[in-house]
Amino acid sequence: GAGVSQSPRYKVTKRGQDVALRCDPISGHVSLYWYRQALGQGPEFLTYFNYEAQQDKSGLPNDRFSAERPEGSISTLTIQRTEQRDSAMYRCASSLGVEETQYFGPGTRLLVL
Amino acid sequence: AQRVTQPEKLLSVFKGAPVELKCNYSYSGSPELFWYVQYSRQRLQLLLRHISRESIKGFTADLNKGETSFHLKKPFAQEEDSAMYYCALSGWGGGADGLTFGKGTHLIIQP
Repeated sequence: GAGVSQSPRYKVTKRGQDVALRCDPISGHVSLYWYRQALGQGPEFLTYFNYEAQQDKSGLPNDRFSAERPEGSISTLTIQRTEQRDSAMYRCASSLGVEETQYFGPGTRLLVL
Repeated sequence: AQRVTQPEKLLSVFKGAPVELKCNYSYSGSPELFWYVQYSRQRLQLLLRHISRESIKGFTADLNKGETSFHLKKPFAQEEDSAMYYCALSGWGGGADGLTFGKGTHLIIQP
């Protein structure tokens, strides 16, 4: 079946603009995760959902970052008033449940000028 | 706090030679350990996880709780093994439910 999809694949924006990154998980997957990966680093956990409930947002760097999954399927990660340090690869993953294997999407590469 | 350390940023070996990618972790509870791989222009994908004890593409990894290590091994490297490898940890129930990743090791298999 179809894997996790993310859009856009690439996003270039100017500092101060808001961006919304979308993740479409594998059908039937209850858990959805967001990670951020800077160049030369491993993915860094941001937040995750079980169904529509945000379970853990301890990894969100500051209040400019927010995420939602209103119907328990598609999720949106929003970054307000973007800064150059927000430039990174943003990865989404989904799994059947919390302790199940996470399947990753292709990622969205964000560049803030 | 949980942490994963991959000491080698780059590892280059010849085809047919043994491969060992090192991973050490720091976690106070009983962790679940994973190896993820990213081939060129592909997405991050699971290679193996400790709990399943499977051997995938000839790779194995043994959890050594005494040394807090989860090194990835393959007896005979193949050119198609060239990729970026990430070790990851989850402390389900004892910490954040997301994965904690190492910085990754770029494995290059020379012909």
